Amino acid sequence: EADIYQTPRYLVIGTGKKITLECSQTMGHDKMYWYQQDPGMELHLIHYSYGVNSTEKGDLSSESTVSRIRTEHFPLTLESARPSHTSQYLCASSEGHKTEAFFGQGTRLTVV
Amino acid sequence: QKEVEQNSGPLSVPEGAIASLNCTYSDRGSQSFFWYRQYSGKSPELIMFIYSNGDKEDGRFTAQLNKASQYVSLLIRDSQPSDSATYLCAVIPSASGNKLTFGGGTRVLVKP
Repeated sequence: EADIYQTPRYLVIGTGKKITLECSQTMGHDKMYWYQQDPGMELHLIHYSYGVNSTEKGDLSSESTVSRIRTEHFPLTLESARPSHTSQYLCASSEGHKTEAFFGQGTRLTVV
Repeated sequence: QKEVEQNSGPLSVPEGAIASLNCTYSDRGSQSFFWYRQYSGKSPELIMFIYSNGDKEDGRFTAQLNKASQYVSLLIRDSQPSDSATYLCAVIPSASGNKLTFGGGTRVLVKP
């Protein structure tokens, strides 16, 4: 069973607020991912981390930022939320080049 | 050209029939291949992984990999209404730093 957790599960917040979406995994995986997905649409990689202090932007441009100070923790921050940021955000982790990625339960963000 | 391509569907199959899903990838050096299932509003969950050419069976699911033709397929035998979901193909391209890359997904509808 995957041990990767995202909080909060649901978040409704006003425009202009700063938010941080949390993602933690207890499997010791080196790689972690943030994906953005709108209902019925495909997954878009927005951030990727190879390991501690190593992050890069994904295929989809995002105004969010990430940090990886500890192996188990990969938070995503939006400095000033906008309605266009309304989406589901999925965090995942994996190890090595053969093992599968495990997903958290996701955070559904609504910016009003 | 996208790195991982799938027909978006929907693929409609009668209950009890075989559902056949295809996925093509652009990086010939890709080594690891995965099929995920995603129910509406939920996170993707791993169904199967395959690393070598040929077939791999797990219950009602069979993954098929053909590296020469750069495609991977998923067969679902005895399809059930509970198999109705979006199926995501994922690949680790050789030059990606072991970063998991997803296709857009194929929506499958199993009709009773």
